[in-house]
Amino acid sequence: EDQVTQSPEALRLQEGESSSLNCSYTVSGLRGLFWYRQDPGKGPEFLFTLYSAGEEKEKERLKATLTKKESFLHITAPKPEDSATYLCAVQTGGSNYKLTFGKGTLLTVNP
Amino acid sequence: KAGVTQTPRYLIKTRGQQVTLSCSPISGHRSVSWYQQTPGQGLQFLFEYFSETQRNKGNFPGRFSGRQFSNSRSEMNVSTLELGDSALYLCASSSGTGEREQYFGPGTRLTVT
Repeated sequence: EDQVTQSPEALRLQEGESSSLNCSYTVSGLRGLFWYRQDPGKGPEFLFTLYSAGEEKEKERLKATLTKKESFLHITAPKPEDSATYLCAVQTGGSNYKLTFGKGTLLTVNP
Repeated sequence: KAGVTQTPRYLIKTRGQQVTLSCSPISGHRSVSWYQQTPGQGLQFLFEYFSETQRNKGNFPGRFSGRQFSNSRSEMNVSTLELGDSALYLCASSSGTGEREQYFGPGTRLTVT
């Protein structure tokens, strides 16, 4: 069974204090690893897809990386508006579009 | 391009009743997936429909069902509601072929009393 574990569960940063969120996974036949951002009361917002080990993607202050066992979401010089829950999900092969999600990391950035 | 829309946004139902939720995917997308989100279990996959056929199914009881229409709009139905069915129900839209990203709607908040 596919498993996704995110750490830490919660992270509190000061504005400008860079850090990383971790997503470790156990799957057979990874087709893609996805990062989403979710604000309270809203649906998850798509951020990145990573397909193979060594791949990196960036968007503004966020950078996602992938190894064979885990993914990191690096947040550089965060701002209060980056506060949200960050979700990691994996998708396995074939015609299976099912996403298996981790429990998420609640990020709070204080001004 | 318009995003994924879900109706209604909020619902309050009583135990034993049934409920139908609706989802309209992004134009051109043929795959619709449904997820249940609760504080304890997080996001859990219910099922996926592609071209009016259920392609994948999660580990939920048969009280949870869905369907997809020829215009790719989808509905999910929950019969004989239980208190534990209270959750945010999210619909996700994808092309269904090739590109694998899923784009989520705002969700329907279901409260069972």
